[in-house]
Amino acid sequence: DAKTTQPTSMDCAEGRAANLPCNHSTISGNEYVYWYRQIHSQGPQYIIHGLKNNETNEMASLIITEDRKSSTLILPHATLRDTAVYYCIVRESFGNEKLTFGTGTRLTIIP
Amino acid sequence: DAGVIQSPRHEVTEMGQEVTLRCKPISGHNSLFWYRQTMMRGLELLIYFNNNVPIDDSGMPEDRFSAKMPNASFSTLKIQPSEPRDSAVYFCASSFRQGSTDTQYFGPGTRLTVL
Repeated sequence: DAKTTQPTSMDCAEGRAANLPCNHSTISGNEYVYWYRQIHSQGPQYIIHGLKNNETNEMASLIITEDRKSSTLILPHATLRDTAVYYCIVRESFGNEKLTFGTGTRLTIIP
Repeated sequence: DAGVIQSPRHEVTEMGQEVTLRCKPISGHNSLFWYRQTMMRGLELLIYFNNNVPIDDSGMPEDRFSAKMPNASFSTLKIQPSEPRDSAVYFCASSFRQGSTDTQYFGPGTRLTVL
C-alpha cells in the first residue's frame, strides 16, 4: 500500500540544486512527510520532515504544496557525497511509529 | 556521541544454525526498530519496541525470528534455524518520541549470509 510515488532515478550536476519530487495524493491531515536517504552500504539517514509548512535545515529544504498532495526535497548545492537513494515517507503523527520505505529515487550527482 | 551500535557487522553461517544479531540504541532513546533490507523486498520493518515493550511485530516473517529487548540499552534479533532466504542486511534504529514526531537513527547494519 504505497502512499508515495517518486521517480526511479535522477541526475544532477555537482554544485547545482537537486530537486526531488514526491507525490502523496492520499495523505491525510495528521500525516507528516519525512525524507530519508541511504548512501551505498550505509544505514538510512534522516534529512527533514514537515506537516504543512515549508521546512529548512542544514541539509535541505522541504517544499509542501498547499493541498499537501505533493512535496519537493531541495538539496541547494549538490555534492558528490549526496549521491544516494532518497526516500519520501508519509507517516502518522501519532500512533504507530513505523516507517514504510518505498523504492525511493536514486540520485546521482554528476561531476 | 556514539550512534546506534550493531554487532556483528558481517555474519556468515550455514543453513540450520542459530544467528543472533545485537543492537545498542542511542542512550536516552525510548524506541527501537529492527529492519531488514534485500534487493527483492527493499527495506522493511520487522518489529519495534517502545520502552522495551514490543509494539508492532507484524513484519516478523515467521516463528524462526524472535526479538527481545531486556533493557533500554540492548536488543537482540535471533533467527533459529537460519535459511538461505534470510540473507540480507539487518538494520537497527532508535528514536526518542517527543510529541507527535520523532527521528529514527539507523545503525550501520549487519550483513547476514546464510549458506
